[in-house]
Amino acid sequence: DAGVTQSPTHLIKTRGQHVTLRCSPISGHKSVSWYQQVLGQGPQFIFQYYEKEERGRGNFPDRFSARQFPNYSSELNVNALLLGDSALYLCASSLRVSGANVLTFGAGSRLTVL
Amino acid sequence: AQTVTQSQPEMSVQEAETVTLSCTYDTSESNYYLFWYKQPPSRQMILVIRQEAYKQQNATENRFSVNFQKAAKSFSLKISDSQLGDTAMYFCAFRSMNRDDKIIFGKGTRLHILP
Repeated sequence: DAGVTQSPTHLIKTRGQHVTLRCSPISGHKSVSWYQQVLGQGPQFIFQYYEKEERGRGNFPDRFSARQFPNYSSELNVNALLLGDSALYLCASSLRVSGANVLTFGAGSRLTVL
Repeated sequence: AQTVTQSQPEMSVQEAETVTLSCTYDTSESNYYLFWYKQPPSRQMILVIRQEAYKQQNATENRFSVNFQKAAKSFSLKISDSQLGDTAMYFCAFRSMNRDDKIIFGKGTRLHILP
């Protein structure tokens, strides 16, 4: 079985631009979460989507948005990029929304904002 | 708000030795989950071990075990017979028993296993 796949693996943008990151969950997983990992820090929760509905949101500005598609894949969008948005963006999938869930992470998308 | 603190930014240990990584956390909740994740240079976050706060017994997974002290809000990871492949960043993490997948991570400990 394929794991959580993310694309692109690396990308470079300039300030003010927009970026879209994509995530395909493990087959059968209906929940997708997004995390931002700035260099030298632990990941920070951005969003969770389950059955195409937002189920959780972290402390991120409205420039960050996401959605989940009928096939449970997900996109993370970031508008008006700032230098501080440079980070590794991790996607994680799980079977359902539950505290007992085990999250499986992808290898991430490395975003550099110049 | 919950917080997770890892006080050891970096550690080194000889192969085959035992190493303990420290973690403390703060929460007002009584039921929650604690995790240790490993992040090798490949960047993928891998679950090492999980502990349910309502279980008094410490979790164990092969060479990995935890010392969970609920009253002290301490959750350390012990790696026995360390191997070169254990070299990675290790993150301690907390998760509430609610309905979303928000995990709160510490800043991590970079572990070097020396040959």
